[in-house]
Parts: sequence; structure tokens; C-alpha cells
Amino acid sequence: GAVVSQHPSWVICKSGTSVKIECRSLDFQATTMFWYRQFPKQSLMLMATSNEGSKATYEQGVEKDKFLINHASLTLSTLTVTSAHPEDSSFYICSARGVGVQRGYTFGSGTRLTVV
Amino acid sequence: GQQVMQIPQYQHVQEGEDFTTYCNSSTTLSNIQWYKQRPGGHPVFLIQLVKSGEVKKQKRLTFQFGEAKKNSSLHITATQTTDVGTYFCAGPKGGADGLTFGKGTHLIIQP
Repeated sequence: GAVVSQHPSWVICKSGTSVKIECRSLDFQATTMFWYRQFPKQSLMLMATSNEGSKATYEQGVEKDKFLINHASLTLSTLTVTSAHPEDSSFYICSARGVGVQRGYTFGSGTRLTVV
Repeated sequence: GQQVMQIPQYQHVQEGEDFTTYCNSSTTLSNIQWYKQRPGGHPVFLIQLVKSGEVKKQKRLTFQFGEAKKNSSLHITATQTTDVGTYFCAGPKGGADGLTFGKGTHLIIQP
């Protein structure tokens, strides 16, 4: 149980275009999902908390107009990187709290974004 | 803000040797979690420690949570090539959901 599916796995886009990344909880409902960013050989940095039916909560320093988050249902959260630039190239990973108290967080497989 | 520090950043070991990574938080944690990320993969939950002084074992892995609930360690006995990856500790962000991750320890095993 507690599977999180993320799509696409990788994407290459041109500078100035927008990219949408989807995160789905497959066998459970996630009222809250989290979006992280990871640069090569570095740690995961929380970008924002996605709340079903309400606005996302962004971490300090993360531009909400650039990283649009929508959590329209209990099983789907999307992250749209708008007007992408090469410096946005990174590994984006979503996660949701696993089922059960001791389950920790379940992560999606991640999306490797390359902006050219 | 809350900081989670982890050392060492890299650890090279010969297969069969032991490995330990240490995690230290700037604030007291309600719990600490450990994750493993294989090269090219995503973090996979290993364990959560909640109680002060708690010790948990998973086969060759031993996890400890300090008495003050500010530090933790992961020890692997007799490493195998399947242990290769980056091990992250993570604590709940203060006052909010989501996690603050340590920088991770990259475990490299030489056969």
C-alpha cells in the first residue's frame, strides 16, 4: 500500500516554456502532498506543501508564481514550472504521508527536468 | 530555522566492513526518519524513531535515537554491494508538516 506515482519521469523543455508534473496517490487518499527539489549529489529541499481544496503553502524563497501547485482531488497534485529557465533544471519529487503512524513518507519516483 | 546535519558526506568502505552515519538536529525532534536513495532513484522510507534512546534493528541495520532526541545514527554491519546509495536522516519541519533532510551520506562500497 501507499504507492505514489509521479509522471513524467523525465522531461526536456525549451527555455520559456512551462512543464507540468503530476503526482498521484494510487491506493490511498492524500489530503496533503509535498513537493521537493533535489540537485545532483545534494539533499532534498522542501518547496511547498500541497493541500487538497486549498492553496499550497510555499517554503521561504520559493516563488509561488513560478511553481504553480494544484491539488484538485484527494489523489492528484500537480506542479507546473512556468517560464522555465536552465537554472530550474533539477530533480523534482513529490511525497505523501504513508499509511499508518510508523510509515513515514512515501515518495514518487521523481521527475528529472532539463531546461535547454 | 531548523537544521539537520549529517556526517560524513561520503564514506568508502570495503565490502564486509561496517558503516555508520550520524545525524544531528539543531532542535529537539518529535521523531526522526531514515531514508535510502539508490543512484538515480527516489528516497525509500527505512524507519521512524520516536522514543528517547530508542534502538531499532532491521537485519544488518541498527538505528539509534539519542536521549535528547536531537541526534541519531544508522549503523550497517558487514556491508554488501546492495547497500550502495545515499542515506538520509530527516526530521519534521518545526510547526509544519513535511521534512527537513540532512545532506545525506553517500555510501560507496569497493568489492
